[in-house]
Amino acid sequence: DIQMTQSPSSLSASVGDRVTITCQASQDISNYLNWYQQKPGKAPKLLIYDASNLKTGVPSRFSGSGSGTDFTFTISSLQPEDIATYYCQQYDNLFTFGPGTKVDIK
Amino acid sequence: EVQLVESGGGLVQPGGSLRLSCAASGFTFRSYWMHWVRQAPGKGLVWVSRINSEGSSTSYADSVKGRFTISRDNAKNTLYLQMNSLRAEDTAVYYCAREEGGSYGGWGQGTLVTVSS
Repeated sequence: DIQMTQSPSSLSASVGDRVTITCQASQDISNYLNWYQQKPGKAPKLLIYDASNLKTGVPSRFSGSGSGTDFTFTISSLQPEDIATYYCQQYDNLFTFGPGTKVDIK
Repeated sequence: EVQLVESGGGLVQPGGSLRLSCAASGFTFRSYWMHWVRQAPGKGLVWVSRINSEGSSTSYADSVKGRFTISRDNAKNTLYLQMNSLRAEDTAVYYCAREEGGSYGGWGQGTLVTVSS
């Protein structure tokens, strides 16, 4: 089974700050990595697919990079509506989510 | 517009059974692989099961293998999850999701399953 880790588990940043979340896979997953945003009481929403592709309609301040085992998710300028938990998800071998990163406003 | 509406959740005793349904609309249901993903209260997302578009191939997380069965009725545009031998640790919101090349582009609103005596 492929295990996914994320860091940090939570962060607090100011509006306008650059926010970076990392995700690591326990083995090489190429670019088979997606990023989701989940707000409290809501279903997750796909933001980035195949490690670096922005889903249509998602603001360009969100971006992703990486391949192999190490991946990065970035919010270039944090906005109040970005308060949420963010999850990475691999699909190289079945499906596994990372534990999530909770993002708050400082 | 993609719509997925789950139903069938509720309170069940340990060892009991429950069948979840997910009604799909707004897209060609028979063309998509479908999944169930769950989320225990205050916890993260966990993949549960997957079924191919024809319903002929399924996969399960080890934690539910042998207890849960995923199925679909393409004529009724509906996905199912039969859950047997339920345990307290199965308590969660269960989401159905549409797979799009390995990602989940559409989600339902979720249905809560509580396993408790």
